[in-house]
Amino acid sequence: GEDVEQSLFLSVREGDSSVINCTYTDSSSTYLYWYKQEPGAGLQLLTYIFSNMDMKQDQRLTVLLNKKDKHLSLRIADTQTGDSAIYFCAEPAGGYQKVTFGTGTKLQVIP
Amino acid sequence: EAQVTQNPRYLITVTGKKLTVTCSQNMNHEYMSWYRQDPGLGLRQIYYSMNVEVTDKGDVPEGYKVSRKEKRNFPLILESPSPNQTSLYFCASTSAGVKTQYFGPGTRLLVL
Repeated sequence: GEDVEQSLFLSVREGDSSVINCTYTDSSSTYLYWYKQEPGAGLQLLTYIFSNMDMKQDQRLTVLLNKKDKHLSLRIADTQTGDSAIYFCAEPAGGYQKVTFGTGTKLQVIP
Repeated sequence: EAQVTQNPRYLITVTGKKLTVTCSQNMNHEYMSWYRQDPGLGLRQIYYSMNVEVTDKGDVPEGYKVSRKEKRNFPLILESPSPNQTSLYFCASTSAGVKTQYFGPGTRLLVL
């Protein structure tokens, strides 16, 4: 399958902003997703962005999409300890409803 | 409540002993998948199913089987487990439209 790349680890102080980056491969993707995995749990959809958008804001979350560079980022404002988790970007790839996930970025929030 | 359930949540077994991990969803989704999660590798798709009796290989299908006799159930079968199948397994079902994936809680498997 196609490779969706993320850095593996990010550490920030509580109250700072976090920026998690992702590089995807399929320029024809209709949507791009961010999933969150809390310790001991499955993944949950955090947010998504349509490919015809450059930015989407949802409370503390801002998603930026640079289609030219195939770069997706997730910014979390005022990061809290409850934001500590693994964050996966994902894109539809290949055929019917197949989704390819990145390697995941583990966010550690230091109190 | 919309959910995906998996059983068992934890399983320790020995090499070669057949096992089945069940998965069930109550959202009437047509598309379901199995993934394994390993450190540094993210989620890799094992098998997926587009509807009843329609299944296909994902990226890492070797050593696994699936079946889809009913829309709500999608069991994962390991006929002869080996230690390299020690992993965290997730079942997911996908909504139409935005293709949101709903994940089960995971099954942690240890093959000795």
